[in-house]
Amino acid sequence: GDSVTQTEGLVTLTEGLPVMLNCTYQTIYSNPFLFWYVQHLNESPRLLLKSFTDNKRTEHQGFHATLHKSSSSFHLQKSSAQLSDSALYYCALSDKGTQVVGQLTFGRGTRLQVYA
Amino acid sequence: DTTVKQNPRYKLARVGKPVNLICSQTMNHDTMYWYQKKPNQAPKLLLFYYDKILNREADTFEKFQSSRPNNSFCSLYIGSAGLEYSAMYLCASSRRDRATEVFFGKGTRLTVV
Repeated sequence: GDSVTQTEGLVTLTEGLPVMLNCTYQTIYSNPFLFWYVQHLNESPRLLLKSFTDNKRTEHQGFHATLHKSSSSFHLQKSSAQLSDSALYYCALSDKGTQVVGQLTFGRGTRLQVYA
Repeated sequence: DTTVKQNPRYKLARVGKPVNLICSQTMNHDTMYWYQKKPNQAPKLLLFYYDKILNREADTFEKFQSSRPNNSFCSLYIGSAGLEYSAMYLCASSRRDRATEVFFGKGTRLTVV
């Protein structure tokens, strides 16, 4: 079945430094949807980024990611971390096209902690 | 209102007793999902309803039941709780015509003792 592998555990950064959270995936489906969800403390996971287009950069709220099917990757990046970026980040994959996109395979999550 | 509501936020259950978790949304979403999240593990899809059609994952088929009495509500039912059911349960919803928007609730943390 499908699988998603993320940067393990906790990533700590000083405010202002760049953010890079890795995500790679495995699927036999040729047109997967890839997502990044962010979950702040005591909040629900919410969609941060999504893509199904190969080699096209997608951006939202200062974060960006590019789906690279050749390397099965969808890394999350931001040029300058902010304290408010501290949260749990999930990479997720859907191989159901546009029909049942909530049928997701998640990674284990990466906790980002940004310090002043 | 784009919220998915889950009640209760925390639930304590005894081994062998039934558990019923509730989820609701008022976005007129046709699909509702239940995920299980254990510490240091990825959230795992348990089942989902598309309209009134229930789809259960093969490896959790016998462990969880669900009902959807109307479009807004969906429950997750455990007939006899075991210690292994202790986890966070996340409900989510989406609409097929806006298929890339999936909304999650805050979750119910179930502890079985």
